[in-house]
Amino acid sequence: AQKVTQAQTEISVVEKEDVTLDCVYETRDTTYYLFWYKQPPSGELVFLIRRNSFDEQNEISGRYSWNFQKSTSSFNFTITASQVVDSAVYFCALSESLYNQGGKLIFGQGTELSVKP
Amino acid sequence: NAGVTQTPKFRILKIGQSMTLQCTQDMNHNYMYWYRQDPGMGLKLIYYSVGAGITDKGEVPNGYNVSRSTTEDFPLRLELAAPSQTSVYFCASSFRPGANVLTFGAGSRLTVL
Repeated sequence: AQKVTQAQTEISVVEKEDVTLDCVYETRDTTYYLFWYKQPPSGELVFLIRRNSFDEQNEISGRYSWNFQKSTSSFNFTITASQVVDSAVYFCALSESLYNQGGKLIFGQGTELSVKP
Repeated sequence: NAGVTQTPKFRILKIGQSMTLQCTQDMNHNYMYWYRQDPGMGLKLIYYSVGAGITDKGEVPNGYNVSRSTTEDFPLRLELAAPSQTSVYFCASSFRPGANVLTFGAGSRLTVL
């Protein structure tokens, strides 16, 4: 069965610190997609990144970077030089590509990041 | 384009009342989803639909019903509201399953007292 685990419930850092949010997933499929979403205090869900199971290249986007390792079933997210505006709940999610699954996203429980000035 | 529109944004219900959360998308997406978000629990799938006339249960369907008579609309019906249904509800849609990014609505906060 699919499962996504975000073991860190809450993380608190001081501005300019680097922080890594962990995500471990379980799936029986060889083809799947991993996502990260951000939920700021305003409540909406903001898409950050999608990665397919065949692309293990790490990705960097500004202060954000993602490390995908199939060998450990992990898809970790690092924020470099954190800022107060990064304070939010971050969700990791998994989707299998099978059409008969309806493309459902399975979410982790989320990590609440608090960046203090 | 409005994307995914949910109404109402907030609602307080009494135990035993019924209501419908509305969800409309204008992107011609076939796939639509209802999630609920409880504190510290992430998002749980309630129901989903792969096209007009086709719906299926997700992880937590009890106490809810859905219908999909058109591509655009995917209402979620709560029958006999219970305090356990106090939550934030998100509707989402996508063009095709798996690879596509879900477009989420802004959420509907429901409190059952």
